[in-house]
Amino acid sequence: EAGVAQSPRYKIIEKRQSVAFWCNPISGHATLYWYQQILGQGPKLLIQFQNNGVVDDSQLPKDRFSAERLKGVDSTLKIQPAKLEDSAVYLCASSPRGIYEQYFGPGTRLTVT
Amino acid sequence: GENVEQHPSTLSVQEGDSAVIKCTYSDSASNYFPWYKQELGKRPQLIIDIRSNVGEKKDQRIAVTLNKTAKHFSLHITETQPEDSAVYFCAALSTYKYIFGTGTRLKVLA
Repeated sequence: EAGVAQSPRYKIIEKRQSVAFWCNPISGHATLYWYQQILGQGPKLLIQFQNNGVVDDSQLPKDRFSAERLKGVDSTLKIQPAKLEDSAVYLCASSPRGIYEQYFGPGTRLTVT
Repeated sequence: GENVEQHPSTLSVQEGDSAVIKCTYSDSASNYFPWYKQELGKRPQLIIDIRSNVGEKKDQRIAVTLNKTAKHFSLHITETQPEDSAVYFCAALSTYKYIFGTGTRLKVLA
């Protein structure tokens, strides 16, 4: 089966600019996760969707980050405006309903200068 | 809030030796504990997992043990090989949310 797809793979922007990331989960997977992984740290959950509803966004900096999952399939994560500390790899993962295992995408490496 | 502590942060072993990485979780309701291997610039890959109703699970050279009373779980890699060199993350599923450890950089010296 095809894996989780993400684009772009790399992005370099200046601070205060905007950026958007896209994720297409594995077909049929109900749950979609966005993680932020800062260099040298473990992934930190930003937002979790079950179909197109938000399950958890407690660690999403809502003043600058937003995410949506229209029609319960693919998802976009946006940062506006970006800060230097947003430099990280943004990982998308998905899992089938009722199944614990997560499948990760390749990630988007964001550099904010 | 929920927390997962992971030790050590770096680990160097000679090829053929064993490696052990330990994690402690805070939420007693956690019921699923996966371990991921992440090579440089690549996505985390699930290598083994254990559920709270099991004390130990083994898959070839990799094993995971769980002590629910002490709220800690460990990854054991035997007969280490250079290709085992990577960063390893533990995680705990707390209610519906995964909490990750801070990672262990394992170096297997040939």
